[in-house]
Amino acid sequence: RKEVEQDPGPFNVPEGATVAFNCTYSNSASQSFFWYRQDCRKEPKLLMSVYSSGNEDGRFTAQLNRASQYISLLIRDSKLSDSATYLCVVNFQAGTALIFGKGTTLSVSS
Amino acid sequence: GAVVSQHPSRVICKSGTSVKIECRSLDFQATTMFWYRQFPKQSLMLMATSNEGSKATYEQGVEKDKFLINHASLTLSTLTVTSAHPEDSSFYICSARGGSGTPGYTQYFGPGTRLTVL
Repeated sequence: RKEVEQDPGPFNVPEGATVAFNCTYSNSASQSFFWYRQDCRKEPKLLMSVYSSGNEDGRFTAQLNRASQYISLLIRDSKLSDSATYLCVVNFQAGTALIFGKGTTLSVSS
Repeated sequence: GAVVSQHPSRVICKSGTSVKIECRSLDFQATTMFWYRQFPKQSLMLMATSNEGSKATYEQGVEKDKFLINHASLTLSTLTVTSAHPEDSSFYICSARGGSGTPGYTQYFGPGTRLTVL
């Protein structure tokens, strides 16, 4: 069983759409959770951390359900510039390596 | 924010040659550096964890004699792919982390090195 699983997509949506990505992780002792964004042939960049209480950053909302070991990312009012691969990332213990999901590809069209 | 650089950004080499990739933390001291590899349409896979001044810890399935890692200073780690073969062609990405309480405590990623072995 993979440590971090995501639906690979692709998700093809029009501008202005709302899209949600889901992710599950296998290690119940995981401590930190993130969403990263990766553009084609580039390194991943931190989009936002995910907190148990849920958190929002502009058009982006992240949720964490520790009981279900489930993480989500909601993007509202999609922009063309949101087209990228979104990586669900888990950290088992502070200071150790990040564990990446395979990523979900989003394509926003006009 | 903290900056991590990698050099070279892209390399094309012949099969059998060795390639060295450098990872530098530019504005913080990286006590730990991580080396990842990403094949097309795959996730980033951790290859090894490197702590300054000690031997790297390799993940299962990663050959330590083939992927030599040196972390001789708090700002530089190198990954050498020895006797590279076409199957080693991949995107190699490092990340660096400082000590607790430092700006670099979060992991910061380098821009990656794209290796193509002919």
